[in-house]
Amino acid sequence: SQQGEEDPQALSIQEGENATMNCSYKTSINNLQWYRQNSGRGLVHLILIRSNEREKHSGRLRVTLDTSKKSSSLLITASRAADTASYFCATASVPIDGLTFGKGTHLIIQP
Amino acid sequence: DAGVIQSPRHEVTEMGQEVTLRCKPISGHNSLFWYRQTMMRGLELLIYFNNNVPIDDSGMPEDRFSAKMPNASFSTLKIQPSEPRDSAVYFCASSFDGANYGYTFGSGTRLTVV
Repeated sequence: SQQGEEDPQALSIQEGENATMNCSYKTSINNLQWYRQNSGRGLVHLILIRSNEREKHSGRLRVTLDTSKKSSSLLITASRAADTASYFCATASVPIDGLTFGKGTHLIIQP
Repeated sequence: DAGVIQSPRHEVTEMGQEVTLRCKPISGHNSLFWYRQTMMRGLELLIYFNNNVPIDDSGMPEDRFSAKMPNASFSTLKIQPSEPRDSAVYFCASSFDGANYGYTFGSGTRLTVV
């Protein structure tokens, strides 16, 4: 089954800096979604980008999608300590499929 | 809305015992998903329902696992008999229309089988 793979596996930056995480996938998709998971909690949906979209913004989040390269990136601008979490990309080939998640990027924001 | 509600939050059981995990999806959501999360395998999709009907249970690891959704507001995941390798965090999630929309996850059930 197709699976998003995040890169890097772990990222540590200073508060205020921008954080960029990447996701690659293997087959065609209907949409790609990003989620955040704080330690010991459930996943929280951040943003959904459809296959016919190239860029999407939500607050300090910016997501890009390049279907020709089968890749996506999540940019968090002006990072805060509260952004410390694991970030996952998830894909589905068709809407009726369940989402397949990658292993995640663990982001640490140092104060 | 209180979100997706899972119970119990923690479960410790002995090998061989039956375990039942419960989930109440968000009202109005017609898709429900059960995932399992471990350090080794990450998030694995076990089974999902659309309009209370199981669509794909190919992720269910063995016949020891079963899931039901008797109505739009309740689902169970049962493991019988449980084994130590079933220890994981089990998440339930719901969405308005499959993967067309984002999922809302519950807080999870941390299962430990000793």
